[in-house]
Amino acid sequence: ETGVTQSPTHLIKTRGQQVTLRCSSQSGHNTVSWYQQALGQGPQFIFQYYREEENGRGNFPPRFSGLQFPNYSSELNVNALELDDSALYLCASSLGGGPNTEAFFGQGTRLTVV
Amino acid sequence: DAKTTQPTSMDCAEGRAANLPCNHSTISGNEYVYWYRQIHSQGPQYIIHGLKNNETNEMASLIITEDRKSSTLILPHATLRDTAVYYCIVRVAQGAQKLVFGQGTRLTINP
Repeated sequence: ETGVTQSPTHLIKTRGQQVTLRCSSQSGHNTVSWYQQALGQGPQFIFQYYREEENGRGNFPPRFSGLQFPNYSSELNVNALELDDSALYLCASSLGGGPNTEAFFGQGTRLTVV
Repeated sequence: DAKTTQPTSMDCAEGRAANLPCNHSTISGNEYVYWYRQIHSQGPQYIIHGLKNNETNEMASLIITEDRKSSTLILPHATLRDTAVYYCIVRVAQGAQKLVFGQGTRLTINP
């Protein structure tokens, strides 16, 4: 158990719909990162939030957006869902964003787009 | 991003030490080596990380060569529950502290 919780655990959406995934970070952690993991691949970095500001973004289109709240929990929003968005979405939290800080992952949300 | 190279798969007998190699020849002086593992589509689990000294914790040991171009993760007494995909990651020192995952090594522990 890492203390990072994600909801929901599984979700099925239709192409073109919008989805919101949620992440509660480990107590005291102020940095949250989101990753997408397609079947058979390693996780790919989507973006990171530090103290409610986006602090870096991977190679994902603008229809992937996020928020971080004052309690450091976070949301990932995906608009205009495509079939290729089907994946495991992972949230990781850490204390600060330095290279010497461990990031702890939640169990993920499995999104299926049909 | 510094790239890592790992064997695609490895096998190890239960109770033996599992030694997982990783090459990171383009690593910069202030970049850390991290190891994570992922068991059957669960979230990745942090194992250990280091800069240049060898590190040990309750899960594993990390041996980094003096030139820092490669490292080895050692699971001293592998159990069946250690069967997983193991990722070696070089963590960038500037900007967003993203983890760049490769394909990892699929380690199978055999009874």
